[in-house]
Amino acid sequence: DAKTTQPPSMDCAEGRAANLPCNHSTISGNEYVYWYRQIHSQGPQYIIHGLKNNETNEMASLIITEDRKSSTLILPHATLRDTAVYYCIVRVASNAGNMLTFGGGTRLMVKP
Amino acid sequence: DTGVSQNPRHKITKRGQNVTFRCDPISEHNRLYWYRQTLGQGPEFLTYFQNEAQLEKSRLLSDRFSAERPKGSFSTLEIQRTEQGDSAMYLCASSLGSSGGNEQFFGPGTRLTVL
Repeated sequence: DAKTTQPPSMDCAEGRAANLPCNHSTISGNEYVYWYRQIHSQGPQYIIHGLKNNETNEMASLIITEDRKSSTLILPHATLRDTAVYYCIVRVASNAGNMLTFGGGTRLMVKP
Repeated sequence: DTGVSQNPRHKITKRGQNVTFRCDPISEHNRLYWYRQTLGQGPEFLTYFQNEAQLEKSRLLSDRFSAERPKGSFSTLEIQRTEQGDSAMYLCASSLGSSGGNEQFFGPGTRLTVL
């Protein structure tokens, strides 16, 4: 799986959009971008994933650049409960069922 | 609650003792994963089952570690002769195999402290 680079920490004001960047310059054509988050003392939680097109669900939006070398996870209206470590993971999505390779992630602190 | 469950949530043991953790995946999920997470680090993959077959093991899984999924449902992870370096959060995840995203759903973890 391709390596990802994320800033170690970010702050965001409550109610504002949180934009979390991820670089994955060595991504292959068949690799997806996944985002998980881990709230303190809990297991990681799946957020969203995408291949080429931008994706949106009830939790977040994922913007992938045209060359697919970077992406941004957007939490449109961050709340205090969004304080967590956010992991960007690049992997092949297939029937092979391969494991997730977590990096250091970005520690997002949402402040009142 | 239909999520992934893990027991116990916390385990304190003395060095040299054996410990066993249990994971109950989401009922229709055929894939089950074990990860280990130490303080300040992201989770690291240990092993993976598809149904009852253990298909992949990390080099982190030393010979003191053994995992089973006897009937393709729940799984156990046993650590023999525990060492202080085994202290960590042990996370279990499950997924439904498909050609799509097959995102993994994680349990709350078992926190092991080896004294």
